[in-house]
Amino acid sequence: EVQLVQSGAEVKKPGESLKISCKSSGYSFRNYWIGWVRQMPGKGLEWMGFIYPGDSDARYSPSFQGQVTISADNSINTAYLQWSSLKASDTAMYYCARHRRYAYFPDAFDIWGQGTMVTVSS
Amino acid sequence: EIVLTQSPGTLSLSPGERATLSCRASQSVSSTYLAWYQQKSGQAPRLLIYAASSRATGMPDRFSGSGSGTDFILTISRLEPEDSAVYYCHQYGSSPTFGQGTKVEIK
Repeated sequence: EVQLVQSGAEVKKPGESLKISCKSSGYSFRNYWIGWVRQMPGKGLEWMGFIYPGDSDARYSPSFQGQVTISADNSINTAYLQWSSLKASDTAMYYCARHRRYAYFPDAFDIWGQGTMVTVSS
Repeated sequence: EIVLTQSPGTLSLSPGERATLSCRASQSVSSTYLAWYQQKSGQAPRLLIYAASSRATGMPDRFSGSGSGTDFILTISRLEPEDSAVYYCHQYGSSPTFGQGTKVEIK
């Protein structure tokens, strides 16, 4: 079964760093683009960026460029989203999602992780 | 950035009725790069339609997509109680964006 399993909920303080993960199984991880999508409480979906694990080509939404870093580790089939200094406004659910087709760009997201809730509060 | 505007904000219909959801783009979008997702409360989104009119694997045939250019439509031909959800359109042709969502309520 193709699936993406994300790391658990996090509660952090402003200024702290964080790295959340998205572990894939059931397909060739390095050959499918994986994206990250933010959903703030009660709000809609926002594309943050994506990465092609095969060569670590990462692309970012202008809204998130410089605010987060997307990376991948092919040895353990896992993609990451990280912050160096969290803000209260980063409080949201974060989803990873896979492109539908092998090595294809751009594409729709056909497999989604279950989401990681990040809460940033002093 | 391409802005996607969905209407209506909320649709309240009875089981068996037809739902028509609209997604309008601020500039032309290739139909190859337009998708629809369903998000039920407390769940991750699920791909319904890609390339404007192609149903994703396993999606019931009561869901259909159409449109081109700046105007796209998601139709649910006969609403079922389990179709209660928020539906998002998504353009992925250039710097991907999502619409703000249409909430479908089943009376």
